[in-house]
Amino acid sequence: DTGVSQNPRHKITKRGQNVTFRCDPISEHNRLYWYRQTLGQGPEFLTYFQNEAQLEKSRLLSDRFSAERPKGSFSTLEIQRTEQGDSAMYLCASGDVHEQYFGPGTRLTVT
Amino acid sequence: QKEVEQDPGPLSVPEGAIVSLNCTYSNSAFQYFMWYRQYSRKGPELLMYTYSSGNKEDGRFTAQVDKSSKYISLFIRDSQPSDSATYLCAMSESSYKLIFGSGTRLLVRP
Repeated sequence: DTGVSQNPRHKITKRGQNVTFRCDPISEHNRLYWYRQTLGQGPEFLTYFQNEAQLEKSRLLSDRFSAERPKGSFSTLEIQRTEQGDSAMYLCASGDVHEQYFGPGTRLTVT
Repeated sequence: QKEVEQDPGPLSVPEGAIVSLNCTYSNSAFQYFMWYRQYSRKGPELLMYTYSSGNKEDGRFTAQVDKSSKYISLFIRDSQPSDSATYLCAMSESSYKLIFGSGTRLLVRP
């Protein structure tokens, strides 16, 4: 039973650097979601894919953020010119809206 | 005001106690109501979901939705130390986006 996987699990980067995270969803799931979670808060929605199409983006997703899902399989989330405020756990989920299965997350620390 | 409000706790109970976790919300368009459990530094784990109003039971867990009061609950019977975690409620009115509460920390003391 393979769930959602995310890599890397931890990323430490210096302010101004670019980072990219990868998410591999559960194989039969067409829908894929990205969320961001900061300490003491619940996850906040960032963006959503139906197969390879990015159908919705939150206003939280500034121009420095870009997400892709080529061929409707894995997805990547890139943050350009990282800022200290980007430090958070980035979570990927797949499944239907009421049955979203989350990966373990990528913890980003921007120094 | 947040769309979903959840008491952050922590809530500390002895082993074997019945635990009641709650969320209130303001958006009457929410149709799906979920409960997730999250251990420290892990991703959220789906416990159960309910569509519209009513109750749903799964083992030691019971979820209740009262749409007239905009109030949802999760009950845990015979709580165990392994239930110690943060419990997140989540809701959706659409086909993709979940709105989460901030989570309640639960500690079950042996």
